[in-house]
Amino acid sequence: DAMVIQNPRYQVTQFGKPVTLSCSQTLNHNVMYWYQQKSSQAPKLLFHYYDKDFNNEADTPDNFQSRRPNTSFCFLDIRSPGLGDAAMYLCATSRGSGAPDTQYFGPGTRLTVL
Amino acid sequence: GQNIDQPTEMTATEGAIVQINCTYQTSGFNGLFWYQQHAGEAPTFLSYNVLDGLEEKGRFSSFLSRSKGYSYLLLKELQMKDSASYLCAVDNYGQNFVFGPGTRLSVLP
Repeated sequence: DAMVIQNPRYQVTQFGKPVTLSCSQTLNHNVMYWYQQKSSQAPKLLFHYYDKDFNNEADTPDNFQSRRPNTSFCFLDIRSPGLGDAAMYLCATSRGSGAPDTQYFGPGTRLTVL
Repeated sequence: GQNIDQPTEMTATEGAIVQINCTYQTSGFNGLFWYQQHAGEAPTFLSYNVLDGLEEKGRFSSFLSRSKGYSYLLLKELQMKDSASYLCAVDNYGQNFVFGPGTRLSVLP
């Protein structure tokens, strides 16, 4: 089935140790998003790619970087995780056709920082 | 600025009807979406509105009034599995979704 896949589902890292989260999609969608969601809060958009065009939200910390090497894959790099970065990280995709279009979410990666 | 408001929590009884409200003020509007999110899981799409009026999808309906910046999600014949958070999100153009804080619904037997 076409879908959005995130690996790993659970990631434990140490304070300050770089970590990379991955997302892949078989929907052939133009747009890929990374969200951070903390407990009982709304998803917060970190950045998104329209094809290869990178769009960074103004309040996304420099500690967060992203790469999209091709249409199917997108990575979230956290260069020096702090305790406050512990959260669920959601990847989503959309067609990006300009018409109203839902986002399709992956299952998320829950990051724990020790 | 961007602002979306929803009630924080609601409680309803199995078999009943519940209405979850959402008000929004965004710089652009290209549609309003409703998602369901169970604890520890990703949001799943429920419904969306672009034009004013009611959209019905089985037990779920969503209403939009663009002039009032208002939407609601109506859930009928509530089931225990409907206990979840319900997120209202506005497509603000430019692939920019703005999510509301979510409403945590508890369905009681």
